[in-house]
Amino acid sequence: QQQVKQSPQSLIVQKGGIPIINCAYENTAFDYFPWYQQFPGKGPALLIAIRPDVSEKKEGRFTISFNKSAKQFSLHIMDSQPGDSATYFCAATMDTGRRALTFGSGTRLQVQP
Amino acid sequence: AAGVIQSPRHLIKEKRETATLKCYPIPRHDTVYWYQQGPGQDPQFLISFYEKMQSDKGSIPDRFSAQQFSDYHSELNMSSLELGDSALYFCASSLAGGPDTQYFGPGTRLTVL
Repeated sequence: QQQVKQSPQSLIVQKGGIPIINCAYENTAFDYFPWYQQFPGKGPALLIAIRPDVSEKKEGRFTISFNKSAKQFSLHIMDSQPGDSATYFCAATMDTGRRALTFGSGTRLQVQP
Repeated sequence: AAGVIQSPRHLIKEKRETATLKCYPIPRHDTVYWYQQGPGQDPQFLISFYEKMQSDKGSIPDRFSAQQFSDYHSELNMSSLELGDSALYFCASSLAGGPDTQYFGPGTRLTVL
């Protein structure tokens, strides 16, 4: 059973569009939520992360929105570019030290020129 | 900035053979995590180490073992390899006492024939 549910599985947008990827979790002990970007054959690279005490965090063109009561969080990519085409994983962990990441199933994003 | 180093990058083995994967964490990082990622799948946590002691254990098969050495590098030993072990194996590192952000290496692609 996937502890972190991610949708959609794939997403195609035009250049300049704003793809939105959604994740939901059940374990209320999770308190650290990072997003990773992965290109084929490469390791996941940290994009941005959020904790439950804030509802939104922005870094460059990437924004996380967090809804603690609904146990949901989402990634928005502003002004998307073809170079953003990759697989995006949300993840969750208990930030109490040295805990494993639980990943969502991933979203394959394609940004068309 | 220095990143996580993994070796080898590619490995081809026959069924029932053994394999050893190595991971060198980011300097001063004291915690190492191992993940397995099958084709089109999200990374699955295997095992982690902190200060040379096993910290957390996930879905690591009994045929696999791992350890962390005094210089904080880690090795994943895999025996009696099966076709289903073919996957990307990622190592990640973090700094205990820091924000617990995990940084991933480029991965080792293991192919079992």
